[in-house]
Amino acid sequence: DAKTTQPTSMDCAEGRAANLPCNHSTISGNEYVYWYRQIHSQGPQYIIHGLKNNETNEMASLIITEDRKSSTLILPHATLRDTAVYYCIVSNTNAGKSTFGDGTTLTVKP
Amino acid sequence: DGGITQSPKYLFRKEGQNVTLSCEQNLNHDAMYWYRQDPGQGLRLIYYSQIVNDFQKGDIAEGYSVSREKKESFPLTVTSAQKNPTAFYLCASSMFQRDQPQHFGDGTRLSIL
Repeated sequence: DAKTTQPTSMDCAEGRAANLPCNHSTISGNEYVYWYRQIHSQGPQYIIHGLKNNETNEMASLIITEDRKSSTLILPHATLRDTAVYYCIVSNTNAGKSTFGDGTTLTVKP
Repeated sequence: DGGITQSPKYLFRKEGQNVTLSCEQNLNHDAMYWYRQDPGQGLRLIYYSQIVNDFQKGDIAEGYSVSREKKESFPLTVTSAQKNPTAFYLCASSMFQRDQPQHFGDGTRLSIL
């Protein structure tokens, strides 16, 4: 699986959009981009995933660049409960394993 | 409700003991995974299984063993050979299709007495 690079930490004001970047320059054509988040001492929670096109669900939007070498997770109106570690991974699930990096710690401030 | 159940939530081990962490899922998922997480760090893959009676080593399999006798269950044994077993252990499952995300349990925190 391709390796990803994320900033170690980010801050965001409550009510504003949080934009979390991820670089995955070695992604292969059959690998998806997944985003998860982990609140302290809990299991990671799936947020969204995509292959080529931008995706949106009730939690977030995922913007993938045309060359697929990077992506951005957007939380449109961040709340204090969005404070968590956000992981970006690229994977072809039926190839077996996925690799999680250290993620981005997002702190939403009042 | 469908989901993944890990038990126990907290586990203590004496030096030289083997301990087994339980992971059960009722999501009818084909694949199951075990990860280890150390404080302030990301998840590292220990073992994964794509079908019953088959499993593969992940990045840090030494000192661990697994079995997959049933689709719903994927227990992890932390053996005495694992010299630094204190960590947060997470189990996950997914459908065996290339675009399916993993669903995680709430983890087991293992400590050495």
